[in-house]
Amino acid sequence: GENVEQHPSTLSVQEGDSAVIKCTYSDSASNYFPWYKQELGKGPQLIIDIRSNVGEKKDQRIAVTLNKTAKHFSLHITETQPEDSAVYFCAATRRAGGTSYGKLTFGQGTILTVHP
Amino acid sequence: KAGVTQTPRYLIKTRGQQVTLSCSPISGHRSVSWYQQTPGQGLQFLFEYFSETQRNKGNFPGRFSGRQFSNSRSEMNVSTLELGDSALYLCASSHSPLAGGFQETQYFGPGTRLLVL
Repeated sequence: GENVEQHPSTLSVQEGDSAVIKCTYSDSASNYFPWYKQELGKGPQLIIDIRSNVGEKKDQRIAVTLNKTAKHFSLHITETQPEDSAVYFCAATRRAGGTSYGKLTFGQGTILTVHP
Repeated sequence: KAGVTQTPRYLIKTRGQQVTLSCSPISGHRSVSWYQQTPGQGLQFLFEYFSETQRNKGNFPGRFSGRQFSNSRSEMNVSTLELGDSALYLCASSHSPLAGGFQETQYFGPGTRLLVL
């Protein structure tokens, strides 16, 4: 089955700096890669996602890049703010069907702390 | 549009008991997935339901079961609770994707925190 490795496990930055979180996946058939932000006491919130037919996607201060050949994808947050502090999870899944319906395989998470 | 709702938000049970958790998906979403989140194992997929049918199941023992109703609401049940079942149980809803197509985006609820004593 799919395995997703996420690094680093903790990341501490100063407000205004950039933050980068990296994930690698094992299943070459995976084609959808969402990123979630989870704040204390809340469920994961989707912040951006990318499909395998594109290499990069950007939404304001957040961007995701995908390298299918190397089987890795990364989250980039620019101009970080204290409210960006949270746990971030990457996930991967293959085309819908059979044992893939509704199943996201998650990385272990990155605790991001943005210091004012 | 209201988000995914889960009830109850907190639950305390003792070993050997059973528990039922409820999830109401976003209006119009027909697919519901359940996940278990623990500090040690992270987020793990339990099962997925669509149109009252379980289409996929993760690697959990048979004590974990679920069902979906005609209005897409879903419940999961854990029987004979063990200490290791203490976790945050998350429900996510999405439009059902076409078979062979990209997965649809999953939107998570706030979760039910279960403590087994």
